[in-house]
Amino acid sequence: GDSVTQMEGPVTLSEEAFLTINCTYTATGYPSLFWYVQYPGEGLQLLLKATKADDKGSNKGFEATYRKETTSFHLEKGSVQVSDSAVYFCALSYPAGNKLTFGGGTRVLVKP
Amino acid sequence: NAGVTQTPKFQVLKTGQSMTLQCAQDMNHNSMYWYRQDPGMGLRLIYYSASEGTTDKGEVPNGYNVSRLNKREFSLRLESAAPSQTSVYFCASSAQEGNEQFFGPGTRLTVL
Repeated sequence: GDSVTQMEGPVTLSEEAFLTINCTYTATGYPSLFWYVQYPGEGLQLLLKATKADDKGSNKGFEATYRKETTSFHLEKGSVQVSDSAVYFCALSYPAGNKLTFGGGTRVLVKP
Repeated sequence: NAGVTQTPKFQVLKTGQSMTLQCAQDMNHNSMYWYRQDPGMGLRLIYYSASEGTTDKGEVPNGYNVSRLNKREFSLRLESAAPSQTSVYFCASSAQEGNEQFFGPGTRLTVL
């Protein structure tokens, strides 16, 4: 079956540091890929998505590129802020399906 | 426009008790979902409803039942709670299959 693997956290960074969160997937078809973010005490929010190979999703300074050859969708941000402290989830889904398959989540803590 | 709302926010049950978690959305979405979130395991789909009048099992349906009361509301029932059901429960909705899912704030359930 399909699965998503993320690097384990927590990831602790200083403000303005570069952030990378690795995400790889196993899929039987051609899924869409997502990054969701969960701020403390809140539900998940869609951060960005990509629907086909070589697409780049971007939002709020975050970027991720759909790499079919390496089955990866790594999340990057060039300069993090304290407000980026959250749990980040990589996920996949099929356009005609209902199920989002999530990775285990990566907690990021940005210190001033 | 409240988005996805869930009640209650917190609940403590004793083993064997029953309860219903409520979820409502005001975005006129067709599809609704129930997930549980456990440490290190991401979110796992319990049940979903692709459209009003239909429900289907997800990855971890055992011990749960659902009702799609109307287009707005999708409830999750625990008939006889067990400690293994201690978790954070999230409801989500999407316009249709495969579209972005919008999440509620979650219900933190503890079963003693």
